[in-house]
Amino acid sequence: QKEVEQDPGPLSVPEGAIVSLNCTYSNSAFQYFMWYRQYSRKGPELLMYTYSSGNKEDGRFTAQVDKSSKYISLFIRDSQPSDSATYLCAMTNAGKSTFGDGTTLTVKP
Amino acid sequence: DSGVTQTPKHLITATGQRVTLRCSPRSGDLSVYWYQQSLDQGLQFLIHYYNGEERAKGNILERFSAQQFPDLHSELNLSSLELGDSALYFCASSAGGQNNSPLHFGNGTRLTVT
Repeated sequence: QKEVEQDPGPLSVPEGAIVSLNCTYSNSAFQYFMWYRQYSRKGPELLMYTYSSGNKEDGRFTAQVDKSSKYISLFIRDSQPSDSATYLCAMTNAGKSTFGDGTTLTVKP
Repeated sequence: DSGVTQTPKHLITATGQRVTLRCSPRSGDLSVYWYQQSLDQGLQFLIHYYNGEERAKGNILERFSAQQFPDLHSELNLSSLELGDSALYFCASSAGGQNNSPLHFGNGTRLTVT
């Protein structure tokens, strides 16, 4: 069993929809949680970085962490075609990062 | 722009050959990580260097090796290449060794083995 499981997708939504991307993890030692966005043929780009349980908001993006349930989510409000990409969750412990396999999102105009 | 530079962007070579991928980390970052990303797999961690020393190894084949130089740039050497080594190879850097600062990725080297 993988330490980090990510909803596989792909996900296709109309422009303006609210998108929910989710990951679960099994290692309670994970301390920091991240979301990356990866466009085709590009490197992953850091979107959100959070430590504690709860919500962290940055513009149209909200990262949610529930350590008791070992569950993290990324919400995208008012999704745009430019949000079409693969989204990777990641979590770290003692300097080692573990990534989910990614969810590919397509936002249709 | 993440500040992490990888060269070359593309590499096409034949089976059995050896190649070297190069990475320059963000200014001030001491840690360099190498990842492999294939179509049917996610990001696979290969190796981590911190300030010139190897810190952790992941699923790195014995045919692969890496090093980090005093100026903190890193090279990943892939030898006796096989068709299955065709993939995107990413370098990432971060500020620390054991701390949990996030990784910043370059745009990768696309390796095609024919």
